[in-house]
Amino acid sequence: DTAVSQTPKYLVTQMGNDKSIKCEQNLGHDTMYWYKQDSKKFLKIMFSYNNKELIINETVPNRFSPKSPDKAHLNLHINSLELGDSAVYFCASSQAFGGANEKLFFGSGTQLSVL
Amino acid sequence: DQQVKQNSPSLSVQEGRISILNCDYTNSMFDYFLWYKKYPAEGPTFLISISSIKDKNEDGRFTVFLNKSAKHLSLHIVPSQPGDSAVYFCAASRINNFNKFYFGSGTKLNVKP
Repeated sequence: DTAVSQTPKYLVTQMGNDKSIKCEQNLGHDTMYWYKQDSKKFLKIMFSYNNKELIINETVPNRFSPKSPDKAHLNLHINSLELGDSAVYFCASSQAFGGANEKLFFGSGTQLSVL
Repeated sequence: DQQVKQNSPSLSVQEGRISILNCDYTNSMFDYFLWYKKYPAEGPTFLISISSIKDKNEDGRFTVFLNKSAKHLSLHIVPSQPGDSAVYFCAASRINNFNKFYFGSGTKLNVKP
């Protein structure tokens, strides 16, 4: 009965391929996010959606395209994968997008390895 | 340019003693801070938070202290238990700024039995 679930857990692929990571939350939250944990272990926000509307779009290559079919799902599609895309990608959700006492609920991460 | 820094990548503490994890930030506009705990192969889970109107928040064995003038916060765990062994991330944001949280790089805590 996982609150925020993302698939796959591991993704190994060749440079130049296109891949997708899926995320679903059953918490009834309005806002979902994609974070990237880089090689230095910092968690950096990539995107956030509130009720299917894009709210935050950080400086991310446009090879990365998020899609939110409904407020419970936020998928991440990556085109033309590069070596530097290798990282752990975390999906997260929150009740809203910016009041006091907000907190993020994270999925368990997708380890992407680009060879 | 990292706005939240955790300068100690690791910390080792004896069971029963106090663990103190530190975090520094550079953006004086940050007014909301959180600590997350992460076990291997799992996502970070929320531990405790503090807003800038307070300088201390306590929840059981966990206390977060905020020093706004020094732009520094710390997490105290007393007493430390082996199950506390995990990576701890601090995060900061501005309230009403779309939950744009900035995370540190984490401190790996090892509590020895």
